[in-house]
Amino acid sequence: AIRMTQSPSSLSASTGDRVTITCRASQGISSYLAWYQQKPGKAPKLLIYAASTLQSGVPSRFSGSGSGTDFTLTISCLQSEDFATYYCQQYYSYPPAFGQGTKLEIK
Amino acid sequence: EVQLVESGGVVVQPGGSLRLSCAASGFTFDDYAMHWVRQAPGKGLEWVSLISWDGGSTYYADSVKGRFTISRDNSKNSLYLQMNSLRAEDTALYYCAKDMVAVAGTLGAFDIWGQGTMVTVSS
Repeated sequence: AIRMTQSPSSLSASTGDRVTITCRASQGISSYLAWYQQKPGKAPKLLIYAASTLQSGVPSRFSGSGSGTDFTLTISCLQSEDFATYYCQQYYSYPPAFGQGTKLEIK
Repeated sequence: EVQLVESGGVVVQPGGSLRLSCAASGFTFDDYAMHWVRQAPGKGLEWVSLISWDGGSTYYADSVKGRFTISRDNSKNSLYLQMNSLRAEDTALYYCAKDMVAVAGTLGAFDIWGQGTMVTVSS
C-alpha cells in the first residue's frame, strides 16, 4: 500500500501570509493526488485534484504542484477562513490513502 | 442540490452489528463509484471501502476486510455499509463520498461528502 506523509503536522501563520504544505508518497503516483480542507465539525472539502487542478468554486489563492512522489499545496495570501486542517490523498492505486493531516492555526 | 446524507450511526456493543445508509440526490447516482471514509475522534481520515457504479466491484481497507460489506441500490439512490464484529477501534464518524470519475475501474478524487454519521463501539 502507498503511504502518504505530510509535513509539517501543524503550522502557525498569520492572515496575509503565504504558506506551503508538503505531501510525499512512498512510491510514484504520477499526478493522482488530491488536497482536502476540513474545518472543525465539518466534512472534508475537495480543493485540488490531479495535483494542480482547482476544484470549481475554490479561490485562486490555493494552488497545487508536483508529480511522482513530491507535492505541495500553497495558499498565497491566508484568509481567516483558511485556518483548518488539510489532507492530501493519493488515488493512483488501491487502497486510496490520506496523509495524516496538517493543522493550520492562527499565529 | 448535490447532496449525500448518512444515517444509522448509534452506540453498539463490541461484537455487534450495524448498517449505515447514505442517501444521494442531485446527481446521477448510478454513474459513479462511491466510498466510505471514517474519522476516529480527533484523528485523520481513513478510507474504508469502495463500490463500483454497478456494485460489481468492491474494495476494502485491510482493517475492515471480512467484517464490513459495502453495497448499493441504484433504484433507491442509496449506499450502504454493513458492519459486523464491531470493535472499539471502529469508533468513528463515517462519511460517504462520491468519486468524481465516471469511468469504471478508475479511481478519482472524492468531490462530494456527506455530513457523517457517528458510530460508537462501547460496552
